[in-house]
Amino acid sequence: AQKVTQAQTEISVVEKEDVTLDCVYETRDTTYYLFWYKQPPSGELVFLIRRNSFDEQNEISGRYSWNFQKSTSSFNFTITASQVVDSAVYFCALVISSGSARQLTFGSGTQLTVLP
Amino acid sequence: DGGITQSPKYLFRKEGQNVTLSCEQNLNHDAMYWYRQDPGQGLRLIYYSQIVNDFQKGDIAEGYSVSREKKESFPLTVTSAQKNPTAFYLCASSPGPWTDTQYFGPGTRLTVL
Repeated sequence: AQKVTQAQTEISVVEKEDVTLDCVYETRDTTYYLFWYKQPPSGELVFLIRRNSFDEQNEISGRYSWNFQKSTSSFNFTITASQVVDSAVYFCALVISSGSARQLTFGSGTQLTVLP
Repeated sequence: DGGITQSPKYLFRKEGQNVTLSCEQNLNHDAMYWYRQDPGQGLRLIYYSQIVNDFQKGDIAEGYSVSREKKESFPLTVTSAQKNPTAFYLCASSPGPWTDTQYFGPGTRLTVL
């Protein structure tokens, strides 16, 4: 079975600080996909990134960056120079590539509050 | 604009009544999903459909039913058999099943009085 752990339940930072959201996953499969979603107060989940297990290259998109390390089964998300609009719940998710039991497994989320 | 719509945004029902939540997508996606979210928790899969006229149970299907008669539509019925239906319900779709990115609708908040 797959499992995603987001140990940080809540994080508070002051605007312009950098913040890293941790994601640790468990799977026995060698081929899998990892995702990050943002859930603002409105409730809709907004897709941020999808990464497959064979691509360990880190990715940067504006103020967002992701650090994928298979050796530690982690897929951490960093927001640089945080802004109030970044306040949301962030979910990490995992799906394996094959098998009848596959489904998108979500972590429990990290509530990020950015204070002005 | 392409996207996923869910209606209504808020829904109130009396205990013992069935209620149907709407989910429509115009993204031409084959796969659609229903998730339930309770406060402070992640998403749990209720039902999914990989193709028209076919659907499968997820982890918490008891007390729910779905249909997939059209590619664009995947309504969810919360029946009176669902013991604790008050929750936030999210619908999603993806081009293909599972490994493709799932895109989510705005959600429906159901409160049973």
